[in-house]
Amino acid sequence: GENVEQHPSTLSVQEGDSAVIKCTYSDSASNYFPWYKQELGKRPQLIIDIRSNVGEKKDQRIAVTLNKTAKHFSLHITETQPEDSAVYFCAASDSWGKLQFGAGTQVVVTP
Amino acid sequence: DTGVSQDPRHKITKRGQNVTFRCDPISEHNRLYWYRQTLGQGPEFLTYFQNEAQLEKSRLLSDRFSAERPKGSFSTLEIQRTEQGDSAMYLCASTGGGSYEQYFGPGTRLTVT
Repeated sequence: GENVEQHPSTLSVQEGDSAVIKCTYSDSASNYFPWYKQELGKRPQLIIDIRSNVGEKKDQRIAVTLNKTAKHFSLHITETQPEDSAVYFCAASDSWGKLQFGAGTQVVVTP
Repeated sequence: DTGVSQDPRHKITKRGQNVTFRCDPISEHNRLYWYRQTLGQGPEFLTYFQNEAQLEKSRLLSDRFSAERPKGSFSTLEIQRTEQGDSAMYLCASTGGGSYEQYFGPGTRLTVT
């Protein structure tokens, strides 16, 4: 089955700096890679996703890149703000949509 | 509210009791997923439905767990003879219309004492 590894487990950045979270996956059949943000006690919220036929996608301050050959994908957050503080999860799935999540990255943005 | 809803939001039960959770997906979403999340971990897949058909069950889902989606709309997840290790957040998500995007409900937090 699919195995997703996520690094780092914690990330502390100064407000205004960039944050990068990296994930690797094992199943070459995976073709969908979403990123979720989860605040304490809240539901995971989809913030950006990418399909395997695309190498990069950007939405305002967040971007995701995918390297299918190396089986890794990354989340980039620019100009970080205190409200970006949360746990971020990467995930991978095949066409059936069963998501395999990484272990999460706790992002702390300090003013 | 047209999002995914779950009921109850919190459940405290004694070991050995049975519990049942409900998930109402976004209207017309034909796929519904159940995940379990323990503290400090990412959600783990449990099972999913396409319409009323249960298409896959994780090895995590022991015989004490059963899920249904009788009319292809809401779904229930039942845990029989609960154990302390069942304590977790149970999340439901739905998707449809050929989209891959899964939208999560608020979850049901189960505490087994």
